[in-house]
Amino acid sequence: DVKVTQSSRYLVKRTGEKVFLECVQDMDHENMFWYRQDPGLGLRLIYFSYDVKMKEKGDIPEGYSVSREKKERFSLILESASTNQTSMYLCASRQAGGRSTNYGYTFGSGTRLTVV
Amino acid sequence: GDSVTQMEGPVTLSEEAFLTINCTYTATGYPSLFWYVQYPGEGLQLLLKATKADDKGSNKGFEATYRKETTSFHLEKGSVQVSDSAVYFCALKRNQGGKLIFGQGTELSVKP
Repeated sequence: DVKVTQSSRYLVKRTGEKVFLECVQDMDHENMFWYRQDPGLGLRLIYFSYDVKMKEKGDIPEGYSVSREKKERFSLILESASTNQTSMYLCASRQAGGRSTNYGYTFGSGTRLTVV
Repeated sequence: GDSVTQMEGPVTLSEEAFLTINCTYTATGYPSLFWYVQYPGEGLQLLLKATKADDKGSNKGFEATYRKETTSFHLEKGSVQVSDSAVYFCALKRNQGGKLIFGQGTELSVKP
């Protein structure tokens, strides 16, 4: 069964810490995405990557960075965690498709991060 | 920019009741439309989709019709079950790009 695996289900970090959220997919997908999910706001795109070493800002990139050194792994980095980054973080991957309306997103189960 | 608006939740229904969750969108061109479902403690799963006007997506008894004239994609089910309790997200994707844009999510709770 194809999968997107997020390394931690629950994480508690202190304000100011550098935090790494890891996501690994085993489907050889080119595209990978990081979203955060907050009640009443739905999912908001933080960063995405079309391919290895490529990254683009989403709608809310402030306070985050990403790394895509290998195709299967997409890391989200909180440079200096703050309490307003307490949230559920969801990773997704998708195979790139030319002009086709590829809807094959696969989501991980999420990492619930609490910053205290 | 593109956006999706869903009806606010939570929605609480009794088993076998009829369900409607409203979704409207704003987008240029002709996006593809989706409903995703998130069961407790899990990630999102694709529930159904429609890629052009008047298409009807259906799965597990749920249906939604792509209405271009009203820019809507309302989710319906004739008889809900307790196992349908979840958060439902409406989303769109423009054909030229790979990014999904989500609505706020609607929590559904079905009581026996």
